[in-house]
Amino acid sequence: EVQLVESGGGLVQPGGSLRLSCGASGLTFNNHWMGWVRQAPGKGLEWVANIKQDGSAKYYVDSVKGRFTISRDNAQSSQYLQMASLRVEDTAVYYCVQWGHIDNWHRLDLWGRGTLVTVSS
Amino acid sequence: QTVVTQEPSFSVSPGGTVTLTCGLSSGSVSINHQPSWLQQTPGQTPRTLIYSTNTRLTRSSGVPDRFSGSILGNKLALTITGAQADDECEYYCLLYIGSGIWMFGGGTKLTV
Repeated sequence: EVQLVESGGGLVQPGGSLRLSCGASGLTFNNHWMGWVRQAPGKGLEWVANIKQDGSAKYYVDSVKGRFTISRDNAQSSQYLQMASLRVEDTAVYYCVQWGHIDNWHRLDLWGRGTLVTVSS
Repeated sequence: QTVVTQEPSFSVSPGGTVTLTCGLSSGSVSINHQPSWLQQTPGQTPRTLIYSTNTRLTRSSGVPDRFSGSILGNKLALTITGAQADDECEYYCLLYIGSGIWMFGGGTKLTV
């Protein structure tokens, strides 16, 4: 079965750190861009970060630049999101996502079930 | 600051046709924004309904043909023809803004 499974969410105080992990199975992991999308409680979707197949390119939404770091381990079919200097407004369900593509046109193909990050004192 | 805009809510009668739109504050939406439409039913993860290639918008595998995507004027559009009760949920557009950056619209809550 093709799936993405996130872990690492939880309750953290403002200013704290957390590392999210995402394991992939059933797909050729190193063929795909990967990323993270978050959704605050009762709110819409927000793209957070992407990482290229070989990890050579990484992109972030402005609100997390300098605080979050995306990485991947193709040998482990896993990607990660290291989050630091967390703020209350980072509270959200974080989804691991896999991008598909046809030539240079990309789309979101696969989502994990999400992991909840709560930033609160 | 680029903003991707969607109608916050829309209502359609069962069997009716509705067109949701997605605009870009910085200008017109084009196929070069690699546009897509996603559907999120309550409590579920989103799924891509419509995605783009370099020439057209196309449905994902398994998506009913009552869903179609297009560029209408300067906006991305999602048309549902013959709306069903199951279509009542949230719809998001996703655009590639450039320089590796993607942006979702705020979502449209559709009531059938």
